[in-house]
Amino acid sequence: AQSVTQLDSHVSVSEGTPVLLRCNYSSSYSPSLFWYVQHPNKGLQLLLKYTSAATLVKGINGFEAEFKKSETSFHLTKPSAHMSDAAEYFCVVSDPPGNQFYFGTGTSLTVIP
Amino acid sequence: EAGVAQSPRYKIIEKRQSVAFWCNPISGHATLYWYQQILGQGPKLLIQFQNNGVVDDSQLPKDRFSAERLKGVDSTLKIQPAKLEDSAVYLCASSLVTGLSYEQYFGPGTRLTVT
Repeated sequence: AQSVTQLDSHVSVSEGTPVLLRCNYSSSYSPSLFWYVQHPNKGLQLLLKYTSAATLVKGINGFEAEFKKSETSFHLTKPSAHMSDAAEYFCVVSDPPGNQFYFGTGTSLTVIP
Repeated sequence: EAGVAQSPRYKIIEKRQSVAFWCNPISGHATLYWYQQILGQGPKLLIQFQNNGVVDDSQLPKDRFSAERLKGVDSTLKIQPAKLEDSAVYLCASSLVTGLSYEQYFGPGTRLTVT
C-alpha cells in the first residue's frame, strides 16, 4: 500500500534560517515523489520531483530534496527562508509512477520576520 | 501557456441542493483529475480521466457525485444532492503523460460551502 507521512503539521522558522520539511513514504514499487506548495487562495504549484534519476533534486525558489531509499524519506530543504515561502507544503507519491497521486496531510510553514 | 481553468471560484449552496463545477485543462493534456480538499487535509482523488474514459473513480461517492469529460477536453463534476460534509475545495488537475514527464498541473480550485 502507498502512503505519505508528513511528520510536522506546522513548522516555524525565522527569516534567513534553514527550512526542513520532513516526508516519509511507503511504496510497493519504485515511486516517483513530488513536493507541491499551496499559497493561500492559490493553486497547487510543483516545487520539484524525483523520478528515479539523481537522488538530490533541485526545484524552484531555492528548494531541494533528497531521495533516501534506505530511510524511505524525501525531506524538503532550503538554506535560507524568505517571507514569501510561508505556505502549505504537500509531499506526494505516485506509485506506480504516472498513476494515482497520494498526498500527505500537509505542513504549514510560517516564516517569522 | 494557459493554466488549468476552473469555475466558479466560490459557491455557497444549501444542503440537498445540486451544484456543478467546470474544468478546462491545459491544451493537449490527456489526463484530467478531480480532487476534494477538505480544510486541513491533503487533496483526495475523486476521479481520473484518460481522454474521455474513466481510469479510476474508486473514491467517488457515486450515489451523489458524478463527473464527465465529453470529447476528452473539458470536464464537469456534479454533486446532487449536497451534504454538509461536501464543503471543501474541489481541485482540477491535468497532466501530459510522456516518458517521465507526468507531473500534475492544478487549477485554482472551487471553494464549496454547504449550509
